[in-house]
Amino acid sequence: GAVVSQHPSWVICKSGTSVKIECRSLDFQATTMFWYRQFPKQSLMLMATSNEGSKATYEQGVEKDKFLINHASLTLSTLTVTSAHPEDSSFYICSAPRTGGGSPLHFGNGTRLTVT
Amino acid sequence: AQSVTQLGSHVSVSEGALVLLRCNYSSSVPPYLFWYVQYPNQGLQLLLKYTTGATLVKGINGFEAEFKKSETSFHLTKPSAHMSDAAEYFCAVSDYGGSQGNLIFGKGTKLSVKP
Repeated sequence: GAVVSQHPSWVICKSGTSVKIECRSLDFQATTMFWYRQFPKQSLMLMATSNEGSKATYEQGVEKDKFLINHASLTLSTLTVTSAHPEDSSFYICSAPRTGGGSPLHFGNGTRLTVT
Repeated sequence: AQSVTQLGSHVSVSEGALVLLRCNYSSSVPPYLFWYVQYPNQGLQLLLKYTTGATLVKGINGFEAEFKKSETSFHLTKPSAHMSDAAEYFCAVSDYGGSQGNLIFGKGTKLSVKP
């Protein structure tokens, strides 16, 4: 079964509003989570690394004031798209590493954001 | 810096035919390599991974991949394609073992399976 839960799976919002996406690790603690953005027919691009109890690390070119990341607990990270614009419409995916055992990243099922 | 190149954005095979999805990587350190599958509007599911040891790696759903250092390749194969294999496949590389660091993804290869 899924070990990383992402919610909502899809959301439609109006320009100028904010949208919050949640990423939860279900049966393990994740001090680090990763947020990706995927454009149609393209690969995943890392947006930021979410760190529990500290500030997120953003990749070059990603606006930290627009994409607010909060990692308030060991099982939850949130991505808030503030003042959304149509160009923010995309597929957002989170992932979390399960430490120990050499396990790779576990991915959420993604969130399809459409800004009208 | 690391990078991944997937040759062919779209591969089409007949059901029962061999599946071959190509992946070449660039890494200045010993790489950790992964193949993920993505179904429409879903996240990624790990097919297989190479970290160390045996260079031929077997994964789920009958897929396997072989790490060839001399060719800097990690091609994904399956002897006989099923209709359910139709999806997008991503090759990825990491130098942190993939469990602590992030992954660098290729652009993906869409696999179509014809009846």
